[in-house]
Amino acid sequence: DVKVTQSSRYLVKRTGEKVFLECVQDMDHENMFWYRQDPGLGLRLIYFSYDVKMKEKGDIPEGYSVSREKKERFSLILESASTNQTSMYLCASTPIRAGTDTQYFGPGTRLTVL
Amino acid sequence: AQKITQTQPGMFVQEKEAVTLDCTYDTSDPSYGLFWYKQPSSGEMIFLIYQGSYDQQNATEGRYSLNFQKARKSANLVISASQLGDSAMYFCAMREISGGSYIPTFGRGTSLIVHP
Repeated sequence: DVKVTQSSRYLVKRTGEKVFLECVQDMDHENMFWYRQDPGLGLRLIYFSYDVKMKEKGDIPEGYSVSREKKERFSLILESASTNQTSMYLCASTPIRAGTDTQYFGPGTRLTVL
Repeated sequence: AQKITQTQPGMFVQEKEAVTLDCTYDTSDPSYGLFWYKQPSSGEMIFLIYQGSYDQQNATEGRYSLNFQKARKSANLVISASQLGDSAMYFCAMREISGGSYIPTFGRGTSLIVHP
């Protein structure tokens, strides 16, 4: 059974804190993604990675960075959390030639920044 | 311009009735795939159904079917015999394949509430 896991389901942080969101997949997928989901806005791509140590900006990368040191792990970093980063964060993965294959999503992390 | 448009922010349906969730898309790529996902209140995204641009028949998966009208660039999700557990957010997504992109575009979602 394919699996994408995220380190926390719920997270509460204070403004200015450094926040790490971890995502791990066990499917040997090359591509990994971080999305942010807000009501009425759908899923917006923050960053994605198609290989170890490779990363590409998505639609809303400002205020975020990522790290991919190992194939199975993709981390999202909020260097200095702000209240407007309160959101649901979803990680996903696909094989390199996704084609018709769906993305596999993690359970999501609901982040609240106070 | 949005590549995926879901015009219904919210939908209500009576239990056991059928419901159609609208999705229109915009692409010039001849090869693409369309996906529907369900997101219950727990937050996880559940893949429901896939339709390829060259598929001749509409995709079906149990109570889910995709009404694919290529000329209209429409990919509506039909849920037959709605159940209370179908109450959730539903997202339409498209991946353009010819260009080698593996990044799908998502619509803004439709919230479905099933009444008993």
